[in-house]
Amino acid sequence: EIVLTQSPGTLSLSPGERATLSCRASQSVSSSYLAWYQQKPGQAPRLLVYGASSRATGIPDRFSGSGSGTDFTLTISRLEPEDFAVYYCQQYDSSRLTFGGGTKVEIK
Amino acid sequence: EVQLLESGGGLVQPGGSLRLSCAASGFTFSNSAMTWVRQAPGKGLEWVSTLSGSGGSTYYADSVKGRFSISRDNSKNTLYLQMNSLRAEDTAVYYCAKGDRKMATIYCDYWGQGTLVTVSS
Repeated sequence: EIVLTQSPGTLSLSPGERATLSCRASQSVSSSYLAWYQQKPGQAPRLLVYGASSRATGIPDRFSGSGSGTDFTLTISRLEPEDFAVYYCQQYDSSRLTFGGGTKVEIK
Repeated sequence: EVQLLESGGGLVQPGGSLRLSCAASGFTFSNSAMTWVRQAPGKGLEWVSTLSGSGGSTYYADSVKGRFSISRDNSKNTLYLQMNSLRAEDTAVYYCAKGDRKMATIYCDYWGQGTLVTVSS
């Protein structure tokens, strides 16, 4: 089973700053099979990025995904107040999904 | 507009059973694999099960295999999760999610609001 490790666990930043979130896999993941989600308190997750770098419908272009192999990154270029949330990466392998433990982006 | 509405959660004793439902609308239901994902209180996301669009292929996490059963009624646009032999560690919010393709869920492009299942005596 592929394990996804997200870092840091918590990121304390101010609005307008750049956020860089990391997702590392225990073995190589196809870029086509890597996604990122945002979850706010009391809400369901929302798909942000799929295929490692493609933004989902309606997602602002300040969100971007990159990476390949075992190292993937979600970047938020300039944090807006509504971006403070928990972010999860997810991969698909052999008909199973696995999620990373999440990174919380909090207001500094 | 895609909508997914879960129901059927509640309080159940250890060893008991519960059936969750997810009513779907806004897309061609039979053309999408569907998935259940759960989230224990204060914890991260855990994949539970996926069912192909035709209902012919099922996949389960090891933690629920043999106890949970996923099914669908494409005539009613509804997904189900039958949960038996429930344990305290099954306590979670259960989300229904739409898969991005018919035969598998590579990623979940739409999610319901979730239904809370509490297993406690």
